[in-house]
Amino acid sequence: EPEVTQTPSHQVTQMGQEVILRCVPISNHLYFYWYRQILGQKVEFLVSFYNNEISEKSEIFDDQFSVERPDGSNFTLKIRSTKLEDSAMYFCASSRDQKNQAFFGQGTRLTVV
Amino acid sequence: EDQVTQSPEALRLQEGESSSLNCSYTVSGLRGLFWYRQDPGKGPEFLFTLYSAGEEKEKERLKATLTKKESFLHITAPKPEDSATYLCAVQALVAYKLSFGAGTTVTVRA
Repeated sequence: EPEVTQTPSHQVTQMGQEVILRCVPISNHLYFYWYRQILGQKVEFLVSFYNNEISEKSEIFDDQFSVERPDGSNFTLKIRSTKLEDSAMYFCASSRDQKNQAFFGQGTRLTVV
Repeated sequence: EDQVTQSPEALRLQEGESSSLNCSYTVSGLRGLFWYRQDPGKGPEFLFTLYSAGEEKEKERLKATLTKKESFLHITAPKPEDSATYLCAVQALVAYKLSFGAGTTVTVRA
């Protein structure tokens, strides 16, 4: 069964450093998303991406964040100048279209120290 | 802003003891309501999508229903492997993002 793959599974970084979280969405999906879940809190929407551009973003997704589809298979989330409060589980998701269900990856646990 | 409230926060069941989880929502026009299952340290796993009031979906021991203000996830004769956090999310007509509730953590004891 096709699945969304995320790497790394766990990333530890120092405050102020830049991190790149990587995702391989399901191959015939056209819409890509990033969500995050701070420990003990709700899953929160960050951004959606279609046709090589951002289609929707939340208030959380400020200039510190950027997304990119550098090739035909990868989808990345870059976080610049990380802060302690960026520590969370980051989930990539993809869907065939925006009305269909999104399939989530297993997540990258980001720890900022 | 879309709001999703799930109750109870936690549910402890004996194996075979059926129960229901509630998801109440406020959204400016509902496109779809989604149920996901999340195991500890894992990503949400899709279960159901419901689009209109009166709709029902079933999968093994799980059945989801939808009204104009809430959705229920019924667990019939649960087994220990049904232990997980069940997440409800809504998608509004005006946007495509999912807005999640905080989840109900279900523990089924053998």
